[in-house]
Amino acid sequence: EPEVTQTPSHQVTQMGQEVILRCVPISNHLYFYWYRQILGQKVEFLVSFYNNEISEKSEIFDDQFSVERPDGSNFTLKIRSTKLEDSAMYFCASHEEGPRGTQYFGPGTRLLVL
Amino acid sequence: KNQVEQSPQSLIILEGKNCTLQCNYTVSPFSNLRWYKQDTGRGPVSLTIMTFSENTKSNGRYTATLDADTKQSSLHITASQLSDSASYICVVSGSGGSYIPTFGRGTSLIVHP
Repeated sequence: EPEVTQTPSHQVTQMGQEVILRCVPISNHLYFYWYRQILGQKVEFLVSFYNNEISEKSEIFDDQFSVERPDGSNFTLKIRSTKLEDSAMYFCASHEEGPRGTQYFGPGTRLLVL
Repeated sequence: KNQVEQSPQSLIILEGKNCTLQCNYTVSPFSNLRWYKQDTGRGPVSLTIMTFSENTKSNGRYTATLDADTKQSSLHITASQLSDSASYICVVSGSGGSYIPTFGRGTSLIVHP
């Protein structure tokens, strides 16, 4: 069964460093998302992406965040200068249909900023 | 401000028993409501999706209901199994130009043998 994959599974970085989280959505999906979940808290929407551009973004998704679909398969989230409070689990998701389609989540990348 | 409130925060039941989880929301205008199951350290897995016109939807032993007038939803789990132990998350998306989903904090369900 097709699934969303994410790499790395864990990443430890120093405050101020740049990190790139990678996702490979399901191949025929057209809508892509990034979410984050701080330990013990609820999942939060970061950004949605369709047709090679950002559809919507939350207040969390400020100028230090960016997303890119560099080729036909990968979908990346870049954090330019990490802060301690960026430590969280980051989930990528994708779906085929419009905004009401079933979203398939990846296993997540656990980011720890020291 | 859009909000999704879930209750109870946690629930412990015996294997084989049924249970019902609640979700209240203030998201407006409403587009759809989703229930997810999230195992510890894993990504959420979709259980059901309901739009405004749907009152109930089933997925195996999971049955979700929606009352769009009172802005309430429930997730009923029948004949619980040990593998049902997880967090169950209610997510509501709006419409009218923004589909940004609002997540609830989840109900942590533990099923004991």
